[in-house]
Amino acid sequence: QKEVEQNSGPLSVPEGAIASLNCTYSDRVSQSFFWYRQYSGKSPELIMSIYSNGDKEDGRFTAQLNKASQYVSLLIRDSQPSDSATYLCAVNTASYDKVIFGPGTSLSVIP
Amino acid sequence: NAGVTQTPKFQVLKTGQSMTLQCAQDMNHNSMYWYRQDPGMGLRLIYYSASEGTTDKGEVPNGYNVSRLNKREFSLRLESAAPSQTSVYFCASSDPRRGMGLNEQFFGPGTRLTVL
Repeated sequence: QKEVEQNSGPLSVPEGAIASLNCTYSDRVSQSFFWYRQYSGKSPELIMSIYSNGDKEDGRFTAQLNKASQYVSLLIRDSQPSDSATYLCAVNTASYDKVIFGPGTSLSVIP
Repeated sequence: NAGVTQTPKFQVLKTGQSMTLQCAQDMNHNSMYWYRQDPGMGLRLIYYSASEGTTDKGEVPNGYNVSRLNKREFSLRLESAAPSQTSVYFCASSDPRRGMGLNEQFFGPGTRLTVL
C-alpha cells in the first residue's frame, strides 16, 4: 500500500462549482497534512496546512481532516479556470523532518 | 527575499558526465531537501539535511551525493549521470516545528535535467 494516495484524475469541474480533492494516508502517527498546488512547468506552492481534526478555511479553500479514517480533503469553492493545476497532498512522517507526497490530482476548471 | 533559488534551470548531460545542482535559501531555515519529480511518480525525496552539518538519505538516494555547505546552501551531485536520472529536480527548505508536527516546505523553481 502506498503511503499517500490520491486519485490521479483528471478531475474536471465547471467554473463556479466546488472541486473536491481527496487524499488517504497509511501512517497512523502522522500529525500534519499539507496541500500544495503545482501549475504545469512550475514548482509546488503550499496553499493549506492542517493538523487538527475538522475543517480549516482560508478564502475559497477548505481543508478537512479525519484522523480516525486517515483521510484529508481539499475543497475549492467557486472554482476558477486559474485553479486548474495539479494538487499534491503531503503528510509528515514520525520524524517530523520529512514529508511524504502523494502522486497528485490534476484539476481542470472548465469556463 | 528571493526564497529558494536553484541553478541551473536547464541542463543536458551525456551518460557518464558529472554535474552539481546548486540550491540556496534566504529564509534562515534549518532543513533543506532535494526531490525529483517524474511523470506519474509524484515528488520523491533524494536526500535531506535536517540541520547544518547533517545529511540523510531519502527514498531514492542511489547515484547522488549531497553537501550541506552552510545553513543557506545545499548541493546535489551526480557523479556519473545515467538516462534514468532524467527528471525535474526541486530543492526545498523548511523550519520544522517539532512540537506542532509541522513541516511546511518552500520550493525552488526546479532544474530540468536530461541525460542522453
